[in-house]
Amino acid sequence: GAVVSQHPSWVICKSGTSVKIECRSLDFQATTMFWYRQFPKQSLMLMATSNEGSKATYEQGVEKDKFLINHASLTLSTLTVTSAHPEDSSFYICSASRGLYEQYFGPGTRLTVT
Amino acid sequence: DQQVKQNSPSLSVQEGRISILNCDYTNSMFDYFLWYKKYPAEGPTFLISISSIKDKNEDGRFTVFLNKSAKHLSLHIVPSQPGDSAVYFCAASGRGNTGKLIFGQGTTLQVKP
Repeated sequence: GAVVSQHPSWVICKSGTSVKIECRSLDFQATTMFWYRQFPKQSLMLMATSNEGSKATYEQGVEKDKFLINHASLTLSTLTVTSAHPEDSSFYICSASRGLYEQYFGPGTRLTVT
Repeated sequence: DQQVKQNSPSLSVQEGRISILNCDYTNSMFDYFLWYKKYPAEGPTFLISISSIKDKNEDGRFTVFLNKSAKHLSLHIVPSQPGDSAVYFCAASGRGNTGKLIFGQGTTLQVKP
């Protein structure tokens, strides 16, 4: 159990366009989902915490208007990168929590903005 | 301010020997610690965790030790296998953190056959 999927696994988009990434918990209900970003050879940087039915809580330095998060149900959260620029190119990973501490991660989405 | 630190970016061990990965933290409010394993272009996979009320937790070949006074934890893998080669992240969480995990920088483990 505790499987989390992400779609798409990779995406290439042109500068100025928007990209939506989906995160789903497949076999459990997740009241909280998290979105991370990882640059090459660096740690996972938490971007925001997403709770079902409420607004996401963004970490300091993360632009809310650029990274739109929607947690529509207990099994689905989406991250939309709006007006993407090359510097937004990164590896985006979501996780879902089914307990107080343990998080289960999706396989990640590689975003390349040209 | 790096609250969770993994000071060794890489570690290389021989197959069959012990791998010891270290992690230090600064926030005394952390009360739960986790280790994750990650392959390139994949999400982290949960390995093992430990609560601050314990000093040791064991699961098969993996054992995590916690030294609260030193704010230090370590992951022992015995015996190490080539398939263990990956990046290992330690993470910490605390009461009032709403489940947020703070990750270390990661240690790349290479197990040589």
